[in-house]
Amino acid sequence: EPEVTQTPSHQVTQMGQEVILRCVPISNHLYFYWYRQILGQKVEFLVSFYNNEISEKSEIFDDQFSVERPDGSNFTLKIRSTKLEDSAMYFCASSREQGAPPQHFGDGTRLSIL
Amino acid sequence: KQEVTQIPAALSVPEGENLVLNCSFTDSAIYNLQWFRQDPGKGLTSLLLIQSSQREQTSGRLNASLDKSSGRSTLYIAASQPGDSATYLCAVGYNFNKFYFGSGTKLNVKP
Repeated sequence: EPEVTQTPSHQVTQMGQEVILRCVPISNHLYFYWYRQILGQKVEFLVSFYNNEISEKSEIFDDQFSVERPDGSNFTLKIRSTKLEDSAMYFCASSREQGAPPQHFGDGTRLSIL
Repeated sequence: KQEVTQIPAALSVPEGENLVLNCSFTDSAIYNLQWFRQDPGKGLTSLLLIQSSQREQTSGRLNASLDKSSGRSTLYIAASQPGDSATYLCAVGYNFNKFYFGSGTKLNVKP
């Protein structure tokens, strides 16, 4: 079964640095999402992306964050000027249709800010 | 803003028991609701998706129900197995693209 793949699985970055998290969604999917899960807390929606545009974003997704689909296969999340509180698991997801059938999630990137 | 609550936070049962996980949400104007499974160090696996117009969905030993008016959903697991041990997350779709997650129920099924 096709999978959403995320790289790297673990990223360690110094505070203040920029980090790019990468995702390869399922090939025929059109909708892409980023979520994060701070250790011990709920999974939180960050942003959804369709047709090369952000379609929805949460309050968390401020100017520090950006998303891009640089080519036909990758979907990236860039975090600028990282802070300690950005440490979390970041999950990418994709779906063929809007909201349904269900979203398919990658295994996540664990981001550790030192 | 949707608030999604799941109880219990943790559950330990012997193998073979039937069990019910609960999810409640504050705003009944939902688009859909999903139940996910999360294994340690892994992503989320979608188990069941219920559209707002539906009352329940079934997949194998899993049955999820939805009562929009009361803001509740339940996930019923029949004849539990040790392989069912995981964290189960409820996610409420408030619009097409955005889901609010509960904190999850951590299930341990003992052999």
